Amino acid sequence: EVQLVQSGAEVKKPGESLRISCKGSGYSFTSYWISWVRQMPGKGLEWMGRIDPSDSYTNYSPSFQGHVTISADKSISTAYLQWSSLKASDTAMYYCARRDSSGWSTWGQGTLVTVSS
Amino acid sequence: SSELTQDPAVSVALGQTVRITCQGDSLRSYYASWYQQKPGQAPVLVIYGKNNRPSGIPDRFSGSSSGNTASLTITGAQAEDEADYYCNSRDSSGNPYWVFGGGTKLTVL
Repeated sequence: EVQLVQSGAEVKKPGESLRISCKGSGYSFTSYWISWVRQMPGKGLEWMGRIDPSDSYTNYSPSFQGHVTISADKSISTAYLQWSSLKASDTAMYYCARRDSSGWSTWGQGTLVTVSS
Repeated sequence: SSELTQDPAVSVALGQTVRITCQGDSLRSYYASWYQQKPGQAPVLVIYGKNNRPSGIPDRFSGSSSGNTASLTITGAQAEDEADYYCNSRDSSGNPYWVFGGGTKLTVL
């Protein structure tokens, strides 16, 4: 079974750093791009960026470029989303998703990030 | 960049047909895909390409496109179809970006 399993919920203070993860299983991890999608409380889905796990090539939405970093470690089939300095406005649910020929057919369960002083 | 515009809310009587629309320049060049999201759950792909359903998606869901508008139609809406629906497509400017519509909350009466 194709699965993406994300790391657990996080509570952080403004200015702190954070890295959340997304582990793929049941398929060849390097064969499919992984995207990250943000959903702020009560709001819609926002595409943040994607990574090709085979060579770690990335694309970012202009809205997120420079604010987050997407990376991957293909040796452990895991993609990451990280912040160097969190803001309260980063409070959201974050999903990873695998894109295949049909679309984003596999999603992680989501990681809730709460940033509060 | 590109924007996709959806009506914020739509309602349908149980068993009736409802169409959810998505407008944007990128839809003249790329097909939309549609995602259903129920409260507290991750999105689920329901329609992709010209009019394709992933395995397990009921055939009451269908998609279509004309000009700059993509549509998701639910024929014979069921109570379990009550959810938020998001369209998604490539950016129309040739950039390797993806864009979601703002979402439509479907209420089944």
